[in-house]
Amino acid sequence: QSVLTQPPSVSAAPGQKVTISCSGSSSNIGNNYVSWYQHLPGSAPKLLIYDNNKRPSGIPARFSGSKSGTSATLGITGLQTGDEADYYCGTWDSSLSAWVFGGGTKLTVL
Amino acid sequence: QVQLVQSGAEVKKPGASVKVSCKASGYTFTSYDINWVRQATGQGLEWMGWMNPNSGNTGYAQKFQGRVTMTRNTSTGTAYMELSSLRSEDTAIYYCARLRKEVREVIIIQKFYSFYMDVWGKGTTVTVSS
Repeated sequence: QSVLTQPPSVSAAPGQKVTISCSGSSSNIGNNYVSWYQHLPGSAPKLLIYDNNKRPSGIPARFSGSKSGTSATLGITGLQTGDEADYYCGTWDSSLSAWVFGGGTKLTVL
Repeated sequence: QVQLVQSGAEVKKPGASVKVSCKASGYTFTSYDINWVRQATGQGLEWMGWMNPNSGNTGYAQKFQGRVTMTRNTSTGTAYMELSSLRSEDTAIYYCARLRKEVREVIIIQKFYSFYMDVWGKGTTVTVSS
């Protein structure tokens, strides 16, 4: 059972938009910055969003992040079949003194 | 370019230990913490702990306390993760990742940091089987 809660799966058609939620508490999301990772089978996880809403160089603007209170959201617009992957939120938990990940959300592009 | 290159796949028997390496290049090894994350088959990402390559200080997830040891060799820029008393549930892909830690805000004397893992190794498969 993960400290951060994500929906197990989301799906949408190519070209559409999808959002993935990540719910936590004051000891993690509420007082720390959130990052998001894309994990394709057989590949290393890839940083998509850091500092709640910033994109590293090379990450398209189709990917966005936001945070409100103890929840964070990843948004992906203009869905492509290549976006099919598992997506994880992550942050530091000040009470646990540990990094915590969400359980992961599998994105299916129908 | 910045990269982390991990050692090859391992097969171990229950009760044995495994030591995975992670060689950094393209940046100053001692400037950033290295974290270890694993993914068991069909499971999500699981954080194991961190190591500061400069000081050698470490912090481990409670689940792995007493079984995991993270070390480094600063002359070769290599981080190591050793997991002992292996059991079948430890069969997983093990990743090393560079942790960025940056000050975002200073209020009076308290600093607020941003943490994120920006560079990942390709993973090392560890199989535990009798």
